[in-house]
Amino acid sequence: SAVISQKPSRDICQRGTSLTIQCQVDSQVTMMFWYRQQPGQSLTLIATANQGSEATYESGFVIDKFPISRPNLTFSTLTVSNMSPEDSSIYLCSVQRDAKNTIYFGEGSWLTVV
Amino acid sequence: AQTVTQSQPEMSVQEAETVTLSCTYDTSESDYYLFWYKQPPSRQMILVIRQEAYKQQNATENRFSVNFQKAAKSFSLKISDSQLGDAAMYFCAYGGGSGSQGNLIFGKGTKLSVKP
Repeated sequence: SAVISQKPSRDICQRGTSLTIQCQVDSQVTMMFWYRQQPGQSLTLIATANQGSEATYESGFVIDKFPISRPNLTFSTLTVSNMSPEDSSIYLCSVQRDAKNTIYFGEGSWLTVV
Repeated sequence: AQTVTQSQPEMSVQEAETVTLSCTYDTSESDYYLFWYKQPPSRQMILVIRQEAYKQQNATENRFSVNFQKAAKSFSLKISDSQLGDAAMYFCAYGGGSGSQGNLIFGKGTKLSVKP
């Protein structure tokens, strides 16, 4: 498995502001992933973050709204920009630890936009 | 595109009894993986069990086992001797082969309640 720490665990944000979520992994990993879970919904992949290259975004997600950094092999950040109430979600950082496509998740960051 | 369907929004089981959660999926790939994740109120996604599609043998992890029917594209989770701590949302997920690393397709989830 993996120890994946996220900060903040929960926050209440004002409309129009931006918030950066941090994700720290206990050992080096090549690929890190950011998922979103809207209230009462399932998980959707936002983007894949590789160290040393730009993040790859899934359909419906853009870099201007969700900029991602990946400065090293154990750390990544996701910023939710210019937030609106529709951005109220749990954001989860995750990593792949083996060749069997198994994804391990952090504790999640629960954002509420008011 | 791959899809994952969980047809039971909610399930309930008596403590110490057995419950089965259903999951079906659709794919044209031959190489893939299937997962069950548990999400308790703490919100963290916890891996329960994993199945490789090329393996005929059903995966087992202690009280958790799966019934993998590849031809029927069915992947159910059986929880034996249910405990109060098993109460959570359970998500079935599909992971493609090496070409789609990290992009898991999740079902909508089944909320499991455990009655004492």
